Amino acid sequence: NAGVMQNPRHLVRRRGQEARLRCSPMKGHSHVYWYRQLPEEGLKFMVYLQKENIIDESGMPKERFSAEFPKEGPSILRIQQVVRGDSAAYFCASSPPMGPVVGEAFFGQGTRLTVV
Amino acid sequence: KNQVEQSPQSLIILEGKNCTLQCNYTVSPFSNLRWYKQDTGRGPVSLTIMTFSENTKSNGRYTATLDADTKQSSLHITASQLSDSASYICVVSASATNKLIFGTGTLLAVQP
Repeated sequence: NAGVMQNPRHLVRRRGQEARLRCSPMKGHSHVYWYRQLPEEGLKFMVYLQKENIIDESGMPKERFSAEFPKEGPSILRIQQVVRGDSAAYFCASSPPMGPVVGEAFFGQGTRLTVV
Repeated sequence: KNQVEQSPQSLIILEGKNCTLQCNYTVSPFSNLRWYKQDTGRGPVSLTIMTFSENTKSNGRYTATLDADTKQSSLHITASQLSDSASYICVVSASATNKLIFGTGTLLAVQP
């Protein structure tokens, strides 16, 4: 059972380009979370999705950022017209449907986005 | 406001020594609390997870405690090793939302 897979591990984009970050959750997991970690800071919640539904996007910037988790395929975090301030590590976590231990989440290795 | 605060911000100890990291939270309604270890450049890895009814849980040399009345948790590391050098993050889950509230972490450096 492979863990949470994120790709690419490193992504370099020029200002104004689009960045697409992918996350494949663990097998059997239907909940996906995206977090952003700026240098020297903790992880900050961005969005929580279930298959085909956005459950909580209270941490997402209002503009340029979007996320989806389609019925088939990985979850995608899309950042349009990137700016230097978007440079960060973006982590994805997945968890199974609600069970005895609520919210046991496993993290991927992250995608490090650098905007030049 | 749901918050998780950790102390100290950073800590340096000698190999073989013990240490204790602290976590205070104001998350409500509380579901569970977990400690993660994050090596530099890697994703967080879960060490322990505790629900409201649990007040201590061990995972090898790591022992976590939880006082749900005072909303405090600690992570005790025994006989530290060089590989323990990492950021240790306290995370609290709010009931019914599955949202994880992260502390900013304690950066631990174990020196030979």
